[in-house]
Amino acid sequence: SQQGEEDPQALSIQEGENATMNCSYKTSINNLQWYRQNSGRGLVHLILIRSNEREKHSGRLRVTLDTSKKSSSLLITASRAADTASYFCATISSGSARQLTFGSGTQLTVLP
Amino acid sequence: DADVTQTPRNRITKTGKRIMLECSQTKGHDRMYWYRQDPGLGLQLIYYSFDVKDINKGEISDGYSVSRQAQAKFSLSLESAIPNQTALYFCATSDPSGRPGNEQFFGPGTRLTVL
Repeated sequence: SQQGEEDPQALSIQEGENATMNCSYKTSINNLQWYRQNSGRGLVHLILIRSNEREKHSGRLRVTLDTSKKSSSLLITASRAADTASYFCATISSGSARQLTFGSGTQLTVLP
Repeated sequence: DADVTQTPRNRITKTGKRIMLECSQTKGHDRMYWYRQDPGLGLQLIYYSFDVKDINKGEISDGYSVSRQAQAKFSLSLESAIPNQTALYFCATSDPSGRPGNEQFFGPGTRLTVL
């Protein structure tokens, strides 16, 4: 079973708009990570937020974490056509063997 | 990521055949993983290895086996392939000593089709 569930499953926006994706998870976590996957390619790590952090920024990316609601969001500001990809959240559960458990992903399409 | 390579990149085989997928890494990481991805879904962990003498089952290990031949090599085998093993397979590595968050680095994937 998958730990994280992303919402929405698919998102289509115009270039220059902001894109927000949400992730919910089930168990207590050590950290939560976001990955990007271009069609049929390997995943690339984007950003990590620890369980004691509430917000983190990296370039045009902003991640928030609400451990009380077991949820996270990824905001991509000023989106570009090149941001078109699938985005996955993944969690490291507290006390686990430090395995990553992935959600089902959000397919983002940025229209030029 | 060119530091994690997978061979073959594409493979079409028939039901009942034995298949081996290979993964090599030049990152010097101790931890290696095999994942499976089905269309429209996230990744599911098949097996993982924290060092050469350590092999662990993931959430969907049935029908698969692995071999950690060296720190840099981790192979996945399907002893008798079946059509529902048609999927995209990814190898990944991590190094918690350098990155305590256990971020993983992925290979380009192997697309396997079982007819």
